[in-house]
Amino acid sequence: AQSVTQLDSHVSVSEGTPVLLRCNYSSSYSPSLFWYVQHPNKGLQLLLKYTSAATLVKGINGFEAEFKKSETSFHLTKPSAHMSDAAEYFCVVSDPRMLIFGKGTRLHILP
Amino acid sequence: NAGVMQNPRHLVRRRGQEARLRCSPMKGHSHVYWYRQLPEEGLKFMVYLQKENIIDESGMPKERFSAEFPKEGPSILRIQQVVRGDSAAYFCASSPTGESVGSPLHFGNGTRLTVT
Repeated sequence: AQSVTQLDSHVSVSEGTPVLLRCNYSSSYSPSLFWYVQHPNKGLQLLLKYTSAATLVKGINGFEAEFKKSETSFHLTKPSAHMSDAAEYFCVVSDPRMLIFGKGTRLHILP
Repeated sequence: NAGVMQNPRHLVRRRGQEARLRCSPMKGHSHVYWYRQLPEEGLKFMVYLQKENIIDESGMPKERFSAEFPKEGPSILRIQQVVRGDSAAYFCASSPTGESVGSPLHFGNGTRLTVT
């Protein structure tokens, strides 16, 4: 069965510093992985997706994630945080009929 | 091209009432998914529908919850005799194909149900 674990429920970084949101996955086959972002009282927006092509995936708003099979990880990074990045981030693995979400990491940006 | 449209955005019901949540998928999408987000939790799959068919309802509670996606009109998630534990955000998503593998879903902005 597929599952994802987001290792931090809250992450705080100062504006202009790097962001690292951690995600580990479990999958019985080569997975498709996604990161979604949810701003307060809004729907979910796809940041990026990995589907067995390049292991380093670039997404929107300067985010990227690296698929590491040996570590079963798919961590999300951004070189320089912006105030508008404050939101909830979900790591997601696909199952043939559904998406399986992690519990989310709330990113706080300190001025 | 309009995205996935959900209404209402907010819904307040008293215990025992019925809640009806509507979802219009993106144009050209014939597959609809409903997810529920409880406070401080990620989204949990409830049900996957195609037009007039329920494909997978393994995430739906066995009682009081039902979903449909008729040939014409939006998909409806119906909750009968609501209880406080039903308070959550309900998200609808759509896709042009039925296979989620490799295909991200397009989500609506959700309906936030509050049961008083």
